[in-house]
Amino acid sequence: SQQGEEDPQALSIQEGENATMNCSYKTSINNLQWYRQNSGRGLVHLILIRSNEREKHSGRLRVTLDTSKKSSSLLITASRAADTASYFCATGLRTGANSKLTFGKGITLSVRP
Amino acid sequence: NAGVTQTPKFQVLKTGQSMTLQCAQDMNHEYMSWYRQDPGMGLRLIHYSVGAGITDQGEVPNGYNVSRSTTEDFPLRLLSAAPSQTSVYFCASSYSPQGFYGYTFGSGTRLTVV
Repeated sequence: SQQGEEDPQALSIQEGENATMNCSYKTSINNLQWYRQNSGRGLVHLILIRSNEREKHSGRLRVTLDTSKKSSSLLITASRAADTASYFCATGLRTGANSKLTFGKGITLSVRP
Repeated sequence: NAGVTQTPKFQVLKTGQSMTLQCAQDMNHEYMSWYRQDPGMGLRLIHYSVGAGITDQGEVPNGYNVSRSTTEDFPLRLLSAAPSQTSVYFCASSYSPQGFYGYTFGSGTRLTVV
């Protein structure tokens, strides 16, 4: 079963605008990650935030994590047409001897030129 | 280029046939996993391995078999293909199951079972 749920399911914006995507999860986590998937390709790791961190930046990406609300957001600033892709949040957790990364269903981002 | 290599990229099988999807990585990652991706379902974990000789089931293991004889290779076997196994399959590897440095994905195998 999916641990993370992204919101919205689809997002369409104009080039140059900011895109904000949200992810909620249900159980305690070690880390939360965001991935991008271009059409017909594999997933590419974008950014990871650990459970003891609140905000992290990487280039035009900013991710926040609120463990009290069990939620995260990914902000892409000054979006470009090349940012058009599906974005997935994934939660990393360790439960005894069972550790894994669980993915959400993804958000489809369309950036109009 | 370093990374995860999956073969084949496309495959069509008849119901009842068997086949092996290949996955190889050259990053010396201990952890490897197989996911299937279906429309509206996201990625679901099939099987995973935390090192050579060690494998375990994920969320949807039925109809699939894996083995890990070397650190580099993690093949996925479909024992008797069914139309419900039509999907895109991704292999991923990492230094750790929780993916502290992120997962590296292959480019996928698009499988159709008729």
